[in-house]
Amino acid sequence: EVQLLESGGGLVQPGGSLRLSCAASGFTFSSYAMTWVRQAPGKGLEWVSSISDRGGSTFYADSVKGRFTISRDNSKNTLYLQLNSLRAEDTAVYYCAKDRGIIAAGFDYWGQGTLVTVSS
Amino acid sequence: EIVMTQSPATLSVSPGERATLSCRASQSVSNNLAWYQQKPGQGPRLLIYGASTRATDIPARFSGSGSGTEFTLTISSLQSEDFAVYYCHQYNNWPLSFGGGTKVEIK
Repeated sequence: EVQLLESGGGLVQPGGSLRLSCAASGFTFSSYAMTWVRQAPGKGLEWVSSISDRGGSTFYADSVKGRFTISRDNSKNTLYLQLNSLRAEDTAVYYCAKDRGIIAAGFDYWGQGTLVTVSS
Repeated sequence: EIVMTQSPATLSVSPGERATLSCRASQSVSNNLAWYQQKPGQGPRLLIYGASTRATDIPARFSGSGSGTEFTLTISSLQSEDFAVYYCHQYNNWPLSFGGGTKVEIK
Protein backbone atom coordinates (compact mmCIF):
# COMPACT_ATOMS: atom_id res chain seq x y z
CA GLU A 1 0.00 0.00 0.00
CA VAL A 2 1.35 3.40 -1.00
CA GLN A 3 1.69 5.79 1.93
CA LEU A 4 2.88 9.39 2.02
CA LEU A 5 3.29 10.99 5.42
CA GLU A 6 4.08 14.69 5.64
CA SER A 7 5.59 16.36 8.69
CA GLY A 8 7.32 19.56 9.73
CA GLY A 9 4.48 22.05 9.52
CA GLY A 10 3.71 24.54 12.25
CA LEU A 11 3.46 28.19 13.21
CA VAL A 12 6.27 30.45 12.01
CA GLN A 13 6.78 34.20 11.95
CA PRO A 14 7.00 36.13 8.67
CA GLY A 15 10.52 35.88 7.32
CA GLY A 16 11.10 32.58 9.09
CA SER A 17 11.95 29.13 7.78
CA LEU A 18 10.63 25.58 7.96
CA ARG A 19 11.57 22.26 6.43
CA LEU A 20 8.80 19.90 5.43
CA SER A 21 9.37 16.18 5.01
CA CYS A 22 7.36 13.49 3.26
CA ALA A 23 8.13 9.88 4.14
CA ALA A 24 7.14 7.50 1.37
CA SER A 25 6.48 3.77 1.46
CA GLY A 26 4.80 1.05 -0.58
CA PHE A 27 6.47 1.83 -3.91
CA THR A 28 9.91 2.22 -5.47
CA PHE A 29 10.49 5.82 -4.45
CA SER A 30 13.49 6.37 -6.71
CA SER A 31 11.46 5.54 -9.83
CA TYR A 32 8.96 8.38 -9.62
CA ALA A 33 8.88 12.15 -9.65
CA MET A 34 7.44 13.81 -6.57
CA THR A 35 5.61 17.08 -6.06
CA TRP A 36 4.44 19.53 -3.42
CA VAL A 37 0.99 21.08 -3.79
CA ARG A 38 -0.51 23.54 -1.32
CA GLN A 39 -3.99 24.65 -0.40
CA ALA A 40 -4.68 27.89 1.43
CA PRO A 41 -7.55 27.77 3.93
CA GLY A 42 -10.85 27.50 2.04
CA LYS A 43 -9.11 27.80 -1.34
CA GLY A 44 -8.17 25.56 -4.25
CA LEU A 45 -5.06 23.58 -5.07
CA GLU A 46 -1.83 25.34 -6.06
CA TRP A 47 1.15 23.51 -7.55
CA VAL A 48 4.35 24.50 -5.70
CA SER A 49 7.30 22.41 -6.87
CA SER A 50 8.27 19.13 -8.52
CA ILE A 51 11.42 17.03 -8.63
CA SER A 52 12.32 14.28 -11.08
CA ASP A 53 12.88 10.67 -10.05
CA ARG A 54 16.63 11.01 -9.47
CA GLY A 55 16.51 14.63 -8.40
CA GLY A 56 18.32 15.99 -11.42
CA SER A 57 15.48 18.29 -12.47
CA THR A 58 13.50 20.63 -10.29
CA PHE A 59 10.63 22.99 -11.08
CA TYR A 60 9.04 25.81 -9.08
CA ALA A 61 6.01 28.05 -9.18
CA ASP A 62 6.95 31.70 -9.65
CA SER A 63 5.34 32.48 -6.29
CA VAL A 64 7.99 30.43 -4.44
CA LYS A 65 11.00 30.53 -6.76
CA GLY A 66 14.11 31.66 -4.91
CA ARG A 67 12.52 31.06 -1.50
CA PHE A 68 11.63 27.36 -1.50
CA THR A 69 13.91 24.41 -2.32
CA ILE A 70 12.72 20.91 -3.15
CA SER A 71 15.00 17.92 -2.64
CA ARG A 72 14.86 14.20 -2.11
CA ASP A 73 16.90 11.45 -0.48
CA ASN A 74 16.20 8.24 -2.38
CA SER A 75 18.17 6.21 0.17
CA LYS A 76 15.70 7.34 2.85
CA ASN A 77 12.56 7.35 0.65
CA THR A 78 11.96 10.94 1.74
CA LEU A 79 10.96 14.14 -0.05
CA TYR A 80 11.75 17.56 1.40
CA LEU A 81 10.68 21.15 0.95
CA GLN A 82 12.78 23.90 2.51
CA LEU A 83 10.69 27.02 3.02
CA ASN A 84 12.59 30.28 3.57
CA SER A 85 11.55 33.94 3.75
CA LEU A 86 8.02 32.89 4.57
CA ARG A 87 5.11 35.25 3.98
CA ALA A 88 1.55 35.32 5.26
CA GLU A 89 0.36 34.18 1.83
CA ASP A 90 2.35 30.95 2.22
CA THR A 91 -0.10 29.84 4.90
CA ALA A 92 -1.60 26.60 3.62
CA VAL A 93 -1.83 22.86 3.96
CA TYR A 94 1.11 21.40 2.06
CA TYR A 95 0.57 18.05 0.38
CA CYS A 96 3.19 15.79 -1.10
CA ALA A 97 2.10 13.80 -4.11
CA LYS A 98 3.54 10.91 -6.09
CA ASP A 99 3.75 11.34 -9.84
CA ARG A 100 2.51 8.61 -12.13
CA GLY A 101 5.84 8.66 -13.96
CA ILE A 102 9.31 10.12 -13.94
CA ILE A 103 7.95 13.67 -14.31
CA ALA A 104 4.69 15.54 -14.97
CA ALA A 105 2.20 12.74 -15.58
CA GLY A 106 -0.46 13.47 -12.97
CA PHE A 107 -0.44 12.54 -9.29
CA ASP A 108 -1.80 9.14 -8.30
CA TYR A 109 -1.22 9.27 -4.54
CA TRP A 110 -1.37 12.13 -2.05
CA GLY A 111 -0.59 12.51 1.60
CA GLN A 112 -2.91 13.96 4.22
CA GLY A 113 -1.00 17.23 4.33
CA THR A 114 0.82 19.32 6.92
CA LEU A 115 -0.34 22.80 7.91
CA VAL A 116 2.02 25.76 7.69
CA THR A 117 0.83 28.95 9.36
CA VAL A 118 2.81 32.14 8.85
CA SER A 119 1.80 34.75 11.38
CA SER A 120 3.29 37.08 13.94
CA GLU B 1 1.20 30.06 -17.86
CA ILE B 2 -1.86 27.95 -18.67
CA VAL B 3 -4.99 29.04 -16.82
CA MET B 4 -7.53 26.33 -16.08
CA THR B 5 -11.15 27.48 -15.68
CA GLN B 6 -13.77 25.19 -14.20
CA SER B 7 -17.52 25.60 -14.41
CA PRO B 8 -19.83 25.77 -12.67
CA ALA B 9 -18.31 26.71 -9.33
CA THR B 10 -21.10 24.84 -7.56
CA LEU B 11 -23.35 22.11 -8.93
CA SER B 12 -26.46 21.04 -7.03
CA VAL B 13 -27.51 17.51 -7.95
CA SER B 14 -29.89 14.92 -6.51
CA PRO B 15 -28.57 11.42 -5.72
CA GLY B 16 -28.94 9.18 -8.76
CA GLU B 17 -28.79 12.07 -11.21
CA ARG B 18 -26.06 12.77 -13.74
CA ALA B 19 -23.44 15.46 -13.12
CA THR B 20 -21.41 17.15 -15.84
CA LEU B 21 -18.38 19.25 -14.88
CA SER B 22 -16.41 21.38 -17.33
CA CYS B 23 -12.80 22.45 -17.50
CA ARG B 24 -11.29 24.83 -20.06
CA ALA B 25 -7.61 25.48 -20.66
CA SER B 26 -6.34 28.87 -21.88
CA GLN B 27 -4.24 27.02 -24.48
CA SER B 28 -3.99 23.45 -25.69
CA VAL B 29 -2.84 20.86 -23.16
CA SER B 30 -3.34 17.96 -25.59
CA ASN B 31 -4.75 15.12 -23.46
CA ASN B 32 -2.45 15.84 -20.48
CA LEU B 33 -5.33 16.49 -18.16
CA ALA B 34 -6.28 14.87 -14.85
CA TRP B 35 -9.30 15.09 -12.57
CA TYR B 36 -9.20 14.80 -8.77
CA GLN B 37 -11.83 14.47 -6.08
CA GLN B 38 -11.31 16.06 -2.67
CA LYS B 39 -13.40 15.60 0.46
CA PRO B 40 -13.10 17.80 3.56
CA GLY B 41 -9.99 17.16 5.60
CA GLN B 42 -8.52 14.76 3.02
CA GLY B 43 -5.90 14.91 0.32
CA PRO B 44 -7.14 14.76 -3.28
CA ARG B 45 -7.78 11.43 -5.00
CA LEU B 46 -6.91 10.84 -8.66
CA LEU B 47 -9.97 9.94 -10.73
CA ILE B 48 -8.94 10.40 -14.36
CA TYR B 49 -5.64 10.92 -16.19
CA GLY B 50 -4.85 11.31 -19.87
CA ALA B 51 -8.21 13.12 -20.08
CA SER B 52 -10.20 9.88 -20.23
CA THR B 53 -8.41 7.00 -18.46
CA ARG B 54 -9.86 6.00 -15.10
CA ALA B 55 -7.33 5.57 -12.32
CA THR B 56 -7.04 2.34 -10.34
CA ASP B 57 -10.20 1.36 -8.43
CA ILE B 58 -12.26 4.29 -9.75
CA PRO B 59 -15.86 3.25 -10.43
CA ALA B 60 -17.12 3.18 -14.01
CA ARG B 61 -19.70 5.90 -13.26
CA PHE B 62 -16.82 8.39 -13.54
CA SER B 63 -15.80 9.23 -17.11
CA GLY B 64 -13.65 11.88 -18.71
CA SER B 65 -13.61 13.28 -22.21
CA GLY B 66 -12.08 16.04 -24.29
CA SER B 67 -8.75 17.15 -25.64
CA GLY B 68 -6.97 20.37 -26.46
CA THR B 69 -8.74 23.05 -24.44
CA GLU B 70 -12.15 21.62 -23.54
CA PHE B 71 -12.67 18.80 -21.05
CA THR B 72 -15.58 17.20 -19.25
CA LEU B 73 -15.93 14.98 -16.20
CA THR B 74 -19.22 13.09 -16.06
CA ILE B 75 -20.59 11.23 -13.07
CA SER B 76 -23.35 9.11 -14.52
CA SER B 77 -25.40 8.47 -11.36
CA LEU B 78 -24.36 10.34 -8.25
CA GLN B 79 -23.86 8.33 -5.09
CA SER B 80 -23.75 9.83 -1.60
CA GLU B 81 -19.97 9.43 -1.46
CA ASP B 82 -19.52 11.51 -4.63
CA PHE B 83 -20.48 14.81 -3.06
CA ALA B 84 -17.14 16.59 -2.91
CA VAL B 85 -14.98 19.16 -4.71
CA TYR B 86 -13.51 18.23 -8.09
CA TYR B 87 -10.38 19.76 -9.63
CA CYS B 88 -8.94 19.52 -13.12
CA HIS B 89 -5.16 19.69 -13.56
CA GLN B 90 -2.98 20.18 -16.63
CA TYR B 91 0.44 18.59 -16.73
CA ASN B 92 1.32 19.47 -20.31
CA ASN B 93 3.33 22.61 -19.57
CA TRP B 94 5.34 24.15 -16.76
CA PRO B 95 4.19 25.66 -14.52
CA LEU B 96 1.65 22.95 -13.77
CA SER B 97 -1.78 24.30 -12.90
CA PHE B 98 -5.14 23.39 -11.40
CA GLY B 99 -8.62 24.69 -12.01
CA GLY B 100 -10.42 26.51 -9.25
CA GLY B 101 -12.66 23.54 -8.48
CA THR B 102 -16.33 22.57 -8.76
CA LYS B 103 -18.22 21.74 -5.61
CA VAL B 104 -20.85 19.06 -6.15
CA GLU B 105 -23.49 19.40 -3.46
CA ILE B 106 -26.71 17.63 -2.60
CA LYS B 107 -29.80 19.23 -4.09
